[in-house]
Amino acid sequence: GENVEQHPSTLSVQEGDSAVIKCTYSDSASNYFPWYKQELGKRPQLIIDIRSNVGEKKDQRIAVTLNKTAKHFSLHITETQPEDSAVYFCAARSGGSYIPTFGRGTSLIVHP
Amino acid sequence: NAGVTQTPKFRILKIGQSMTLQCTQDMNHNYMYWYRQDPGMGLKLIYYSVGAGITDKGEVPNGYNVSRSTTEDFPLRLELAAPSQTSVYFCASTFSDRGGTEAFFGQGTRLTVV
Repeated sequence: GENVEQHPSTLSVQEGDSAVIKCTYSDSASNYFPWYKQELGKRPQLIIDIRSNVGEKKDQRIAVTLNKTAKHFSLHITETQPEDSAVYFCAARSGGSYIPTFGRGTSLIVHP
Repeated sequence: NAGVTQTPKFRILKIGQSMTLQCTQDMNHNYMYWYRQDPGMGLKLIYYSVGAGITDKGEVPNGYNVSRSTTEDFPLRLELAAPSQTSVYFCASTFSDRGGTEAFFGQGTRLTVV
């Protein structure tokens, strides 16, 4: 089955800095890569996703890049704000199974 | 649209007790999932269902059971609760699409087994 590794487990930045979270996956058949944000005590919610036919996608301060050859994808947050503080999960979904496999999560802390 | 509704939000069980976590979705999604979330361990798949009448085991199914009699409902049953089942449980659903669609999550159930 799919295996997703996510790094770092904790990321501490100053407000205004950029933050990068990286994930690798094992199944070359995976074709959908969503990122979820989970605020304390809340449910995970989708913030951005990318499909295997696209190398990069951007939405305001958030961007995701995908390298299919190396089987890794990354989340980039620019101009971080305190409200970006949360746990971020990457996931990979195989086109065959439709089951998303999640990374272990990254706790992002943005200091004012 | 209510999305995915999960109950209860909190529950304390004694060792050996049983309970059912309820999950219902009104988006007509065919895929539904149960995950457990332990600190620093991400979301681990317990069971999933690809449609009414069809269920299958995920990564950590031991101690749990599910059923899917309708498209909307996907309850998770804990028999003989153990302290190792203390966790936060999330139900989720997606529409099966070859290109991929987002998973919608319920609000979670925080379960403590004492």
